[in-house]
Amino acid sequence: NAGVTQTPKFQVLKTGQSMTLQCAQDMNHEYMSWYRQDPGMGLRLIHYSVGAGITDQGEVPNGYNVSRSTTEDFPLRLLSAAPSQTSVYFCASTSRTEAFFGQGTRLTVV
Amino acid sequence: SQKIEQNSEALNIQEGKTATLTCNYTNYSPAYLQWYRQDPGRGPVFLLLIRENEKEKRKERLKVTFDTTLKQSLFHITASQPADSATYLCALYGSSNTGKLIFGQGTTLQVKP
Repeated sequence: NAGVTQTPKFQVLKTGQSMTLQCAQDMNHEYMSWYRQDPGMGLRLIHYSVGAGITDQGEVPNGYNVSRSTTEDFPLRLLSAAPSQTSVYFCASTSRTEAFFGQGTRLTVV
Repeated sequence: SQKIEQNSEALNIQEGKTATLTCNYTNYSPAYLQWYRQDPGRGPVFLLLIRENEKEKRKERLKVTFDTTLKQSLFHITASQPADSATYLCALYGSSNTGKLIFGQGTTLQVKP
């Protein structure tokens, strides 16, 4: 009964490096989303997907790419990490009535 | 632009009292509104959902109201306990059926014994 699995839990990157945050869900939900959470800012939507092959931008998409090749997986790619991307990242899988969140990834860009 | 506002100041109350948290929104017509609880270092956890045609919803010690005219939701925790201490987030879901949830910044509740 895994729900939403996010990896890694912690990551330190150097400026300019790239990486992929992984997210997988086993609830067969169509909707998945990526959020970042910064102190005092709440959860801000980066990208979301309404099904395999379909993605769209949220409030803060710059510097991030996503793809959705399967229903289960929704990876988030940082193309060239910047210190402004230091944050806690959450993946969510959404039913018609509620969102289920992963444990989060704490990313530090130095 | 669309905006969701929660009281950014922490709410401190005594155990046994009722905690009331506020969520206001502008330029938005949500199909429904949700409340989540978030503990430090963890992802948010769903608590309650209220639809646009519902005035009030209850679950155990929790009560949510939704006033689409005032564009406001109130979240009440009755007989509060120290274990209720957490950050509470409201989230709005539009009618376009995209699974796109927009969150407020959250209010931190501290219940003192």
